[in-house]
Amino acid sequence: TQLLEQSPQFLSIQEGENLTVYCNSSSVFSSLQWYRQEPGEGPVLLVTVVTGGEVKKLKRLTFQFGDARKDSSLHITAAQPGDTGLYLCAGESYNTDKLIFGTGTRLQVFP
Amino acid sequence: DTEVTQTPKHLVMGMTNKKSLKCEQHMGHRAMYWYKQKAKKPPELMFVYSYEKLSINESVPSRFSPECPNSSLLNLHLHALQPEDSALYLCASSENNYAGNYGYTFGSGTRLTVV
Repeated sequence: TQLLEQSPQFLSIQEGENLTVYCNSSSVFSSLQWYRQEPGEGPVLLVTVVTGGEVKKLKRLTFQFGDARKDSSLHITAAQPGDTGLYLCAGESYNTDKLIFGTGTRLQVFP
Repeated sequence: DTEVTQTPKHLVMGMTNKKSLKCEQHMGHRAMYWYKQKAKKPPELMFVYSYEKLSINESVPSRFSPECPNSSLLNLHLHALQPEDSALYLCASSENNYAGNYGYTFGSGTRLTVV
């Protein structure tokens, strides 16, 4: 069974602080995706990374895929209250149709 | 149209009822998915349809029956559910059966309560 563990599980910070969320697995993935989900809504895709060592930047968000394609991180600079939500990494395995979600990180940013 | 539309948004049903959840996308995506999400948990994969054929059933109980009438529609038929089946049911689609650079597009979900 493939598992994607995220840490931390919960994060409460003040506006303006920086933070990093980690997504780790013992399995190798063909791609790794990050989603954000707000209450009562479906997950919304933030980014996909497909190459080991790849770094992608999306405004204040920086995503990295590990060299071995087993882990990923999401770094947010100068967090804002609008960043509040559930952050989910999700890995896609080689030769399957499955997208497996990580355990999730619930972020709360206070003004 | 870049959305996945799910109906109804909320559903309350008794344990002897039969109901259906509907999902629609017009992005030309060839893969569609059902996920179940319990409160404060990540989504769990239930079914995968690839080119209108069921390719993955994650050992889901037979009281859940998926159907893909065409490449734009995905249904989930519900019968004799249990209270523990109460959850947010999410539909998603992707370009094909390898999401790769494209990722998945999720609907807003159907909040199901079984009483």
